[in-house]
Amino acid sequence: AQSVSQHNHHVILSEAASLELGCNYSYGGTVNLFWYVQYPGQHLQLLLKYFSGDPLVKGIKGFEAEFIKSKFSFNLRKPSVQWSDTAEYFCAVTAFLRYSSASKIIFGSGTRLSIRP
Amino acid sequence: DTGVSQDPRHKITKRGQNVTFRCDPISEHNRLYWYRQTLGQGPEFLTYFQNEAQLEKSRLLSDRFSAERPKGSFSTLEIQRTEQGDSAMYLCASSLASQGDPYEQYFGPGTRLTVT
Repeated sequence: AQSVSQHNHHVILSEAASLELGCNYSYGGTVNLFWYVQYPGQHLQLLLKYFSGDPLVKGIKGFEAEFIKSKFSFNLRKPSVQWSDTAEYFCAVTAFLRYSSASKIIFGSGTRLSIRP
Repeated sequence: DTGVSQDPRHKITKRGQNVTFRCDPISEHNRLYWYRQTLGQGPEFLTYFQNEAQLEKSRLLSDRFSAERPKGSFSTLEIQRTEQGDSAMYLCASSLASQGDPYEQYFGPGTRLTVT
C-alpha cells in the first residue's frame, strides 16, 4: 500500500528564513503528488501539484516543490517565509481505487510550521 | 460561495447517540469523497461516491457508519452508537471526472465531532 512520510513534525522559523519540508512516498510507479496547506481555522487548500513533466513545480504564495523520482521525494521549499505562512502542511499522493477510475488521496501526517515575527 | 460546504461545523454528542453530517459538493461535481482527520494526523479516506453510487469503502468505515448520496448531489454520513474514538474532523471533498486534472479534490471546511 502506498504511504507518505513527512519527517518534520513541527518546524519553527523566523521570518525571512528559507524553508524546506521533507516528504517521501513509497510507491515506485507513476505518481501524482500534492502539497496541501491548512491555515488555522480554514479549509485544506491545494498549494501545488505534480502529475508529469517538469519535476520542479511552482505553486501559490511563492512555494515550490521538486519531484526526485530516484529518491521517492517531493520536498516543499520557499526561499523566504512570512508570518502568514504559519499553518499545517500536508504532503499527499493519489492511489487508484479498486472499482473506479477515481483516486483517493493518501496524506502524510503533516508538518506544523510556526513562523516567529 | 461555490465551494464545498458541510453542516454542521461542530457537533458535540454523548456516547451512544447517532449523528448525521451533510456535505454539499461543488455544483456538477460527480465525484464525492469522505475523509476523517484525527488530531495530529493527515486525513484518511473513508468512502467514495460516483454520482449516487457508493463505489469504495475503506476498512476504517465500520458497520456503524453509513453514507448516502441519494440524488447524486449532496451526501450524508451517519454514525450510529457513537464511541469516543469517533471524535475527529470529518472532511468532504469533491471533484469532476471530466476536468483536465481529475485527481484534484476540493475540500470542505469539515465537521468536528466530539463524543463525550
